[in-house]
Amino acid sequence: SQQGEEDPQALSIQEGENATMNCSYKTSINNLQWYRQNSGRGLVHLILIRSNEREKHSGRLRVTLDTSKKSSSLLITASRAADTASYFCATGLRGGTSYGKLTFGQGTILTVHP
Amino acid sequence: DAGITQSPRHKVTETGTPVTLRCHQTENHRYMYWYRQDPGHGLRLIHYSYGVKDTDKGEVSDGYSVSRSKTEDFLLTLESATSSQTSVYFCAIRDIAGGETQYFGPGTRLLVL
Repeated sequence: SQQGEEDPQALSIQEGENATMNCSYKTSINNLQWYRQNSGRGLVHLILIRSNEREKHSGRLRVTLDTSKKSSSLLITASRAADTASYFCATGLRGGTSYGKLTFGQGTILTVHP
Repeated sequence: DAGITQSPRHKVTETGTPVTLRCHQTENHRYMYWYRQDPGHGLRLIHYSYGVKDTDKGEVSDGYSVSRSKTEDFLLTLESATSSQTSVYFCAIRDIAGGETQYFGPGTRLLVL
């Protein structure tokens, strides 16, 4: 089963509004990452937050991590039409034999209307 | 750009035929991964490699095999394709220098009739 579960499955907003996506996971993690996928393309890494961090920023992106609730959120501020894409969370596990494997959630489809 | 290419980019094949997908990287990364992406399932790990000739199974490995005879190439083989293997296949590499981040290829769309 999927380690990460995301909600909402789809989000539709107007340009300039903020978009918030949530991710929940089941087991202890080493890190949590967010990726973006434009239609028909490969995934692009956005941001990584480690299990000992609570919040991280990158440009218009803000990620929070609550390990007690096993959840994370991705906030995109002042959204643009170009932010229209699918967004995936991915969890990396602890341990030397993890080999950097990631487990992905099902994704949130974000549509930003001009 | 992690210099990852996938070939072919699109393929249509018939049930029961063997299919090999190729992932090629130019930057000597040790770790490589094969995923499949299906609606409602996100990305699921098929197989991964942690070095030449070192591979292991992922979450959905049944019906797939892999080989890595040199650092730059990671091959995914469907021994006898089935309609359930119709999917988009992505290869990824892990850049250790960049931490735990994975970089993805452009994907291969496979249709099994």
